[in-house]
Amino acid sequence: GESVGLHLPTLSVQEGDNSIINCAYSNSASDYFIWYKQESGKGPQFIIDIRSNMDKRQGQRVTVLLNKTVKHLSLQIAATQPGDSAVYFCAEKPGGSNYKLTFGKGTLLTVNP
Amino acid sequence: DTAVSQTPKYLVTQMGNDKSIKCEQNLGHDTMYWYKQDSKKFLKIMFSYNNKELIINETVPNRFSPKSPDKAHLNLHINSLELGDSAVYFCASSLRLGGFGAGELFFGEGSRLTVL
Repeated sequence: GESVGLHLPTLSVQEGDNSIINCAYSNSASDYFIWYKQESGKGPQFIIDIRSNMDKRQGQRVTVLLNKTVKHLSLQIAATQPGDSAVYFCAEKPGGSNYKLTFGKGTLLTVNP
Repeated sequence: DTAVSQTPKYLVTQMGNDKSIKCEQNLGHDTMYWYKQDSKKFLKIMFSYNNKELIINETVPNRFSPKSPDKAHLNLHINSLELGDSAVYFCASSLRLGGFGAGELFFGEGSRLTVL
C-alpha cells in the first residue's frame, strides 16, 4: 500500500523477518544499479551496487537481484532490524557516456520491534 | 570528520529573496552534484561538476546557479526564490565521473529550504 501524505510505497515487517524491496527501472540500456538507504533527516547512504552483467550480488545481510528481462531490481534484507527502518531508493545509470544517476521513487521500510 | 558537509542545514526565507547553499567535500573526489528532494521524497539531479567543469545541467531554471571554485566545493545560489523551490537540497560527490563504482555517491545531510 501507499503511505498517506508521502505517497511512498511502504513495507512493514517484524524484527527478525526478511524484507524484500522491489524496484522497476525504466531504461533497458542502464548498466549499473545502486541501492541507497535514507534515514529520517539524513542524506542517502550507499548500500550495495550491481552491474548489468550480473544477476545477483550479496553483501552483509543484503542481497541485490537484477532481472534485466523485466527491468526489475530487488533488495533483500535478512533478519531485518529496527535500524533498517528508512526509505530505500534504487538508482540506475545509463550505459555509455551518460553519467546521470536516476533515482527511483523510494520505498518506506518500517521495522516493528 | 564529515565527508560531505553542506550549510546551512535549515533555511527559511521569503519569496523573491536570493539565497546560497554551500557544499564542501574532503574525500578528494573529482565530481560533485546537487540533487533536489521534494516533499514526496523524489530525488532529482540538478547539476554535476567534474573538476570544476559543468557536466550535467538538468533543465533547471536560470534562477539556480551553481559555482565550483575548486573541486572540493560546489555552491548553489538561487535568485528570486519561489514557493516551489521549497525542498531539501542534497550535495553529493563521487570519486570520478562515470565508470563502475564511480556511481557511488556520498551525500551530505541536506539543506531544507522553506520559502514563505
